[in-house]
Amino acid sequence: IAGITQAPTSQILAAGRRMTLRCTQDMRHNAMYWYRQDLGLGLRLIHYSNTAGTTGKGEVPDGYSVSRANTDDFPLTLASAVPSQTSVYFCASSPGLAGATGELFFGEGSRLTVL
Amino acid sequence: GQNIDQPTEMTATEGAIVQINCTYQTSGFNGLFWYQQHAGEAPTFLSYNVLDGLEEKGRFSSFLSRSKGYSYLLLKELQMKDSASYLCAGMDSNYQLIWGAGTKLIIKP
Repeated sequence: IAGITQAPTSQILAAGRRMTLRCTQDMRHNAMYWYRQDLGLGLRLIHYSNTAGTTGKGEVPDGYSVSRANTDDFPLTLASAVPSQTSVYFCASSPGLAGATGELFFGEGSRLTVL
Repeated sequence: GQNIDQPTEMTATEGAIVQINCTYQTSGFNGLFWYQQHAGEAPTFLSYNVLDGLEEKGRFSSFLSRSKGYSYLLLKELQMKDSASYLCAGMDSNYQLIWGAGTKLIIKP
């Protein structure tokens, strides 16, 4: 089934540990995004990539890094996790540049708890 | 600054009609979007408005007034499965989505 796959679906880790959230899409979409969703707040953009080989910072990029080596994969890395990074993380993709077509396709989310 | 405002929670009765309002302030404007998100699941796209007026799609309709910075999502013939959060998002001049916190819709029998 075509779509976006995120892994892991849930993870608990100790503060200070390094963590990579994986995201893979098979729809050949150019643009990909990482959002975090916290209770009472809207989705907040962490990083994005308009096409393979390019990345950009979103609204809340500090403490996170991304890479886009190819069209399909867009991993998000927390170099040294802190409790404030406890959140649900959604990876998304869209066919066009920076979401210009409007419709984003979301993965099922990765629930991360930092203790 | 950029901001999206929508009610936190609404309650409606099965079979009835409900209107979820959204006001927006964005730097430039390239459209207004509505997404549905069931608890514990990913958001899914519902509608997109870039011109003033009403867009109808089955039981769901979305309205936009650019001069007022206002949109609403209208859900008719409510079903229990419509219980979800409804996310309003405005697209700014850089084609980035600015998201509201979502409106949790509770449907009662």
